[in-house]
Amino acid sequence: DAGVIQSPRHEVTEMGQEVTLRCKPISGHDYLFWYRQTMMRGLELLIYFNNNVPIDDSGMPEDRFSAKMPNASFSTLKIQPSEPRDSAVYFCASTPPGTLGANEQFFGPGTRLTVL
Amino acid sequence: AQKVTQAQTEISVVEKEDVTLDCVYETRDTTYYLFWYKQPPSGELVFLIRRNSFDEQNEISGRYSWNFQKSTSSFNFTITASQVVDSAVYFCALTGTFYNQGGKLIFGQGTELSVKP
Repeated sequence: DAGVIQSPRHEVTEMGQEVTLRCKPISGHDYLFWYRQTMMRGLELLIYFNNNVPIDDSGMPEDRFSAKMPNASFSTLKIQPSEPRDSAVYFCASTPPGTLGANEQFFGPGTRLTVL
Repeated sequence: AQKVTQAQTEISVVEKEDVTLDCVYETRDTTYYLFWYKQPPSGELVFLIRRNSFDEQNEISGRYSWNFQKSTSSFNFTITASQVVDSAVYFCALTGTFYNQGGKLIFGQGTELSVKP
C-alpha cells in the first residue's frame, strides 16, 4: 500500500517565482496536514484539512502561502512569490478517520525547497 | 497553550550504552495523545509510539521503552543497548482532541542522538 506521496522531492527556485508543492494522502485518510521544518523553528504545522475542508490555517505564515485540497486524493501548497526565508523541508501527512488527535500521522518523504 | 520541551539538543553515546531522551509537555486538555517520531539522516519521519493520557502503563518494544508520568508531565524514551542505526533526530509530540485544535501535532525541538561504534 502506497504511503503519502509528495512531489517534487527537491525544488530549487529563484526569489519571486511561484512554487507549488503537491501531496497525495493515503487512500481512505480524511485528514491532511502540511508541516514545515526549518532549523530555526523546527517542525510547525501550517494548515490542515478534514474531508477536503481547511480546518485551521493559523500556521500559514502570510498571504504568500495558500493551500487547497480539491479532492480527497490531492492537495497543493503554493508559495507566491517565494522568498529565501521560505527555504525549508515541507512535509505532508495524513491520518485515518477516528478520534480526533488519536491517530498517528503518516508523513510523506518531504519536499526540500531552496529559494535562491 | 500546548507545548513540548525536549531539553536535550544533542546526545552522543557509544554503541551498547543505554540512553534516555527526555520529553516534558504542557497542555490544558484532559484528553490528549503523546507521540514519538524518529527522523533518520534520510529525512523521513517515522512513527514510533502513541500513548493516550489515560494510559500510564510503560511500554516496551524490543530495545525501546517509554515511561509516561502524568504527575510530572513527562514522556521519556529509553533505548537499551544502543546501535549505530539508532542515530537520528527524535521528536516528541502532543495532540489535543478538541475540534479545530485536536489533531495538530505540536512537536518538541528534537533530540539529535549520535551513536558511535
